[in-house]
Amino acid sequence: KAGVTQTPRYLIKTRGQQVTLSCSPISGHRSVSWYQQTPGQGLQFLFEYFSETQRNKGNFPGRFSGRQFSNSRSEMNVSTLELGDSALYLCASSQTSGVHNEQFFGPGTRLTVL
Amino acid sequence: AQSVTQLGSHVSVSEGALVLLRCNYSSSVPPYLFWYVQYPNQGLQLLLKYTSAATLVKGINGFEAEFKKSETSFHLTKPSAHMSDAAEYFCAVSEREGTDKLIFGTGTRLQVFP
Repeated sequence: KAGVTQTPRYLIKTRGQQVTLSCSPISGHRSVSWYQQTPGQGLQFLFEYFSETQRNKGNFPGRFSGRQFSNSRSEMNVSTLELGDSALYLCASSQTSGVHNEQFFGPGTRLTVL
Repeated sequence: AQSVTQLGSHVSVSEGALVLLRCNYSSSVPPYLFWYVQYPNQGLQLLLKYTSAATLVKGINGFEAEFKKSETSFHLTKPSAHMSDAAEYFCAVSEREGTDKLIFGTGTRLQVFP
């Protein structure tokens, strides 16, 4: 069974641009979550989606948005990029959401904002 | 709000020595607690989790953790370190049962010397 896939793996953008990151969950998984990982702030929760509905949102500005499609694939978008958005963005999927289901993490997309 | 504190951002041990990584939680309700490991350039992998069953939880790769309510701790241990254990370890807490949202500690980097 293929794991969680994130594309692209590496991305370089300049300030003010926007970016879209993609996450394909494990087949059969309906819940997708996103996290931002930086050396300064650590791992911070961005969003959680289940069956195309956003169930939870972290404390990030409105420039960060996401969505989930009917096939459970998810995208996150960051508009008007800032230098501080440089980070590793991790996606995780689980079957039905909740602590009794294991989340599987993808390898991440490393975003560099210049 | 729930949180976890990991004491020691870096821990160094010799191969074959005991590994002890510390995690304390702050929660007003019974928490759900997790330990994840992250190898360089990879996503997170679940080592073990506590979901109110047995207080001593056994995980993968010989790791285990004990939930101690009186000490609000969930320390990770391994009797004998192996070179391949060198990685970053994260303790995390879940807010409630019906969500995948995790709140992570700041991480502990484990170095293993021959």
